[in-house]
Amino acid sequence: DQQVKQNSPSLSVQEGRISILNCDYTNSMFDYFLWYKKYPAEGPTFLISISSIKDKNEDGRFTVFLNKSAKHLSLHIVPSQPGDSAVYFCAALAMTTDSWGKLQFGAGTQVVVTP
Amino acid sequence: ETGVTQTPRHLVMGMTNKKSLKCEQHLGHNAMYWYKQSAKKPLELMFVYNFKEQTENNSVPSRFSPECPNSSHLFLHLHTLQPEDSALYLCASSQDPVGTGANEKLFFGSGTQLSVL
Repeated sequence: DQQVKQNSPSLSVQEGRISILNCDYTNSMFDYFLWYKKYPAEGPTFLISISSIKDKNEDGRFTVFLNKSAKHLSLHIVPSQPGDSAVYFCAALAMTTDSWGKLQFGAGTQVVVTP
Repeated sequence: ETGVTQTPRHLVMGMTNKKSLKCEQHLGHNAMYWYKQSAKKPLELMFVYNFKEQTENNSVPSRFSPECPNSSHLFLHLHTLQPEDSALYLCASSQDPVGTGANEKLFFGSGTQLSVL
């Protein structure tokens, strides 16, 4: 039962333009969300996160938006740079005792930034 | 360099072999994890350890046997694997188990790419 879904397996965007990555979740208990970035032959690295008490979090070129009623979050990258070409994973967490340690991931979106 | 080191980077094994994956973290973290990543699929949580104690076994077949001798080291012992077990196996660590409200970031190693023939 996949609780975190990234329905776009790939995204191609021109350098300088905005990249928008989408993520949907089904578990209403999720209240903390993270994005990870993965280059080939490397492990995922943390990018940005958001708590359910917020609807937006910004860090430089990266902004995450959360729509709790729609169970949807998105990652915006502005402007996109060639070094942003990677796989991006959405992840979600329920901050409850029986969910300790259980970070649920989506299948990832491969982003390619073209010159 | 994330502070989490996995060896080997690549492993090819037959279905009757026994092998082990090793993970070491130099971050002083208390929690360690094994994840499996198959092609085009979400990262799948396998095991969670907190202060050397296993706190989660996500219905993983017994042909995968984890071992955590101390908070810095984590092993995954493999025996009689199947070809469908071929995947990228990722180790991760965090200060405390994610979800406890302290720091929810996982730090991943580069993974072991496993092929079972």
